[in-house]
Amino acid sequence: AQSVTQLGSHVSVSEGALVLLRCNYSSSVPPYLFWYVQYPNQGLQLLLKYTSAATLVKGINGFEAEFKKSETSFHLTKPSAHMSDAAEYFCAVRTGGATNKLIFGTGTLLAVQP
Amino acid sequence: DAGITQSPRHKVTETGTPVTLRCHQTENHRYMYWYRQDPGHGLRLIHYSYGVKDTDKGEVSDGYSVSRSKTEDFLLTLESATSSQTSVYFCAISAEAGKKEFEETQYFGPGTRLLVL
Repeated sequence: AQSVTQLGSHVSVSEGALVLLRCNYSSSVPPYLFWYVQYPNQGLQLLLKYTSAATLVKGINGFEAEFKKSETSFHLTKPSAHMSDAAEYFCAVRTGGATNKLIFGTGTLLAVQP
Repeated sequence: DAGITQSPRHKVTETGTPVTLRCHQTENHRYMYWYRQDPGHGLRLIHYSYGVKDTDKGEVSDGYSVSRSKTEDFLLTLESATSSQTSVYFCAISAEAGKKEFEETQYFGPGTRLLVL
């Protein structure tokens, strides 16, 4: 069975600092992994995804994530935080099969301090 | 942006009343999903649909039913609303594998905020 663990429900960084949001997964099949962002009172927006191609995936808004099979991790990073990055971030793993179901982590709320 | 709308966007109801939430898509995608979002739980799948009249349960389906009579509409019904169903409900869609437009991504609607008093 697939599962996702996001370490740290709240992360606070200073503007201009490195952003690191952690995601570890468990999957019985080669995983497809996703990061979504949710701004206040909005739906989820895809940031980036890993689908077994390049292990370093670049997404929107300067974010990237690296798939590390040996560590079962898919951590999200951004070199320099901006105030507009304040949001909740969700990691998700596809469960496999044709129905494209996703299992989500519990989310990490990112605060960016001026 | 994927063409997904949800209605209503906000609703307040009383315990014991039935409630129906609607998800409408203009992408002609085969798969549609209903999630609920609660603090500390992330998003949890309630029900999903893999075609017209074809639906299945997710991990938190108790107290909910769904219907899909047209490709574009997926309805979520709370048979008799309870306070534990106060939540934010999201609809999502994805395309069918093997189709030209297929990709693995689920696209989300704007959500419906439901308060059950």
